[in-house]
Amino acid sequence: EAQVTQNPRYLITVTGKKLTVTCSQNMNHEYMSWYRQDPGLGLRQIYYSMNVEVTDKGDVPEGYKVSRKEKRNFPLILESPSPNQTSLYFCASSLSGDGPSGANVLTFGAGSRLTVL
Amino acid sequence: QKEVEQNSGPLSVPEGAIASLNCTYSDRGSQSFFWYRQYSGKSPELIMFIYSNGDKEDGRFTAQLNKASQYVSLLIRDSQPSDSATYLCAVSYNFNKFYFGSGTKLNVKP
Repeated sequence: EAQVTQNPRYLITVTGKKLTVTCSQNMNHEYMSWYRQDPGLGLRQIYYSMNVEVTDKGDVPEGYKVSRKEKRNFPLILESPSPNQTSLYFCASSLSGDGPSGANVLTFGAGSRLTVL
Repeated sequence: QKEVEQNSGPLSVPEGAIASLNCTYSDRGSQSFFWYRQYSGKSPELIMFIYSNGDKEDGRFTAQLNKASQYVSLLIRDSQPSDSATYLCAVSYNFNKFYFGSGTKLNVKP
């Protein structure tokens, strides 16, 4: 089954304890991205990656890091989580980030609900 | 700051009626436009995408894009209770940066 898999789905942690949320896709997609969803604010893009070793900032990158060493994986790293990073996080992928051909239609993972105390 | 605006609702329509969802965006350079549906506690799933001015129809759904007015809409014909969800409007800039509205909650009453 074609899918985007995120782990963990739920996590409660404490301020300052480094954590990684993994994201993996099995569709050979070039483009991957991370979003956070907060009530009343909608989905906001954190980082995106056009391909292996190519990453760039989205709208709200502060406090997050990403890496894209393999095409299928795009982990989100919180080096020193703070309570304002409590949110619902979604990873998404698309065939590519280029051109108006439907290739940039996003497929989302199931989401990771993170609570930072 | 690129903005995507939606009425948060809830929008209530009776079963079988037409539901009309609207979205405006601030950046004239936006190039592709999407409607996603999100059920409570679930991830967004694509309903439709549109790139060119005009209408695009897919089954009971019609997306309408007016770039001059910076406006995109979604019409749902013969609304069903299973259509009750939050509908997210998304706009893509340079095809790789995405901006989402906060969503419109739709309630379809049996």
